[in-house]
Amino acid sequence: DSGVTQTPKHLITATGQRVTLRCSPRSGDLSVYWYQQSLDQGLQFLIQYYNGEERAKGNILERFSAQQFPDLHSELNLSSLELGDSALYFCASSGLSGSPNTEAFFGQGTRLTVV
Amino acid sequence: EDQVTQSPEALRLQEGESSSLNCSYTVSGLRGLFWYRQDPGKGPEFLFTLYSAGEEKEKERLKATLTKKESFLHITAPKPEDSATYLCAVRSSNTGKLIFGQGTTLQVKP
Repeated sequence: DSGVTQTPKHLITATGQRVTLRCSPRSGDLSVYWYQQSLDQGLQFLIQYYNGEERAKGNILERFSAQQFPDLHSELNLSSLELGDSALYFCASSGLSGSPNTEAFFGQGTRLTVV
Repeated sequence: EDQVTQSPEALRLQEGESSSLNCSYTVSGLRGLFWYRQDPGKGPEFLFTLYSAGEEKEKERLKATLTKKESFLHITAPKPEDSATYLCAVRSSNTGKLIFGQGTTLQVKP
């Protein structure tokens, strides 16, 4: 158990809908990362937050947005969903004691299926 | 642009047959190179962190090494339970991003 919790584990929704994925980082970690992994694809970096502030941005679509709350949990919002958004979405956390360069620990992911 | 390339894409070994996986990287200011193991449908599991050229880390049958341009994950006498996808990632000091390679899928046959 990595200590990173993602909910829900599975999500099935229709095209055009909006969903919210939630991530609780490991206790004490200040950084949260979001990744998308499509079938047989690598981990695509979406966005990173550090202590509530956006730190780095990858190829995140405009239809997607995220935020990190004061209690450090994070949410990834996906809107106007398309079939191609079906994927595993992973959250990771790092930065225990504020160090920015430590390893990241991953949750078990949310499997999103858009029908 | 920060980039990570892993080779080979896939590797089949017999149980006990040692081999190495390669991770080549281009990054503006390396702030850590990380190895992970990922089983199908699961989240990546952290294995090793390397920070500077010449550094080595070992865990059971796995050993990770780092040079200025690449890292190797050596697998000694692998067992079927070592079958998984092995991912390499780098963190850039400029952007702070944690960028992953496409992974090497290892299959170890008994």
